[in-house]
Parts: sequence; C-alpha cells; structure tokens
Amino acid sequence: GAVVSQHPSWVICKSGTSVKIECRSLDFQATTMFWYRQFPKQSLMLMATSNEGSKATYEQGVEKDKFLINHASLTLSTLTVTSAHPEDSSFYICSATDEGRPYEQYFGPGTRLTVT
Amino acid sequence: GDSVTQMEGPVTLSEEAFLTINCTYTATGYPSLFWYVQYPGEGLQLLLKATKADDKGSNKGFEATYRKETTSFHLEKGSVQVSDSAVYFCALTLLPGGYNKLIFGAGTRLAVHP
Repeated sequence: GAVVSQHPSWVICKSGTSVKIECRSLDFQATTMFWYRQFPKQSLMLMATSNEGSKATYEQGVEKDKFLINHASLTLSTLTVTSAHPEDSSFYICSATDEGRPYEQYFGPGTRLTVT
Repeated sequence: GDSVTQMEGPVTLSEEAFLTINCTYTATGYPSLFWYVQYPGEGLQLLLKATKADDKGSNKGFEATYRKETTSFHLEKGSVQVSDSAVYFCALTLLPGGYNKLIFGAGTRLAVHP
C-alpha cells in the first residue's frame, strides 16, 4: 500500500516553455503533498507543501510564480515549471502523507527534467 | 534551526563488512527520525524509523537506535551486500505541533564491492 506515482518520469523541454509534472497517490487519500528538488549527488530540498483545496506554502527562496503547484484533489497534485530555463533542470520528487499516518511521507519515483 | 548532519561519503566497503553511517540531529522539539534509501535511478524509500527516544528501528538487516542523550540515530548493518549500494538519507520530522516537514541530511553514498 501507500503508493505514489509521478508522471512523466523523464521530460525534455525547450527553454522558455512550461512543463507540468503530476503526482498521484494511488491507494490512499493524500491530505498533504510535498514537492522536492534534488540536484545531482545532493540532498532533497523542500520546495513547497500543499494541502488539498488550499494554496501551497513555499519555502524561502522558491519562486511561487515559477513553480506553480496545484492540489486539486486528495489524490492529485501538479507542479508546473513555467518558462523553464536550463538551470531548472533537476530531479523533482513528490511525496504525500496519509491523514491516518502523519509521521510518514510516501515518495514518488521522481521526474527528471532537462531543459535545453 | 532544526537540522540533520550525516557523515560524508562515499563509503566503500567489501561485501559482508560491517556498516555504520553516522547521523546526528538538532531539533527544538521531539522529532521522529527516519532513514531513507535511494537506489540508483529511483525515488526514496523509507528504510526504518523511530518515533521516540530509545526506540530501535529495523528493516532488511539495518538498525538504528534513537539516542536522545547524544542526539544521534546511527545506521548499522552487520553484513552488507552489493545490493545495498545506494544513497542513504537521515531525516527528521517534528510532530505534533508542526506540519509534517521532513528535514534531510546531505545523504551518504554507499558502494559495496564483491
């Protein structure tokens, strides 16, 4: 149980375009979802936290107008990287918590974004 | 602020060697502690956890004990295998009182050779 999926797993886009990444909880209702960014051989950096039906809370230094997060339902959150640039190339990982087990985050497999 | 410090890698071991990856934390409240593992090309998987002092988390031969007196949560395994090669992340979260925000250490890469 507690499976989180991400789509796509890998995406290449041209500089200046936008790309959307989906995060789904497959077998539980995700009251809270998190978006992380991971640079090569580095740790995860929390970008934002979202609760279903409300605006995301962004971490300091994360541009909310560039990284749009929508948590429209209890099983789906999306991250849209707007006007992407090569420096946005990274590994983006989402995670989700189940209301019944708030201590645990279940992670998606990640999405590798390459901006050319 | 709250933080997690892990020993720097990479850690290179021969198969069947003993593994220790050190992790210490700083927290203002009473954190829950976690070890996550990331295999090459994959997302993070929860390896083990401990939610209060003196708890021991264990899974797949790995163990870690929540030591409040030394603010540590060191990961150990008695005999590593090549398949254990991965990056290991120590993390904490503070509940109740705050939302479930995970704070990660920098990660320690483990390479096990036959």
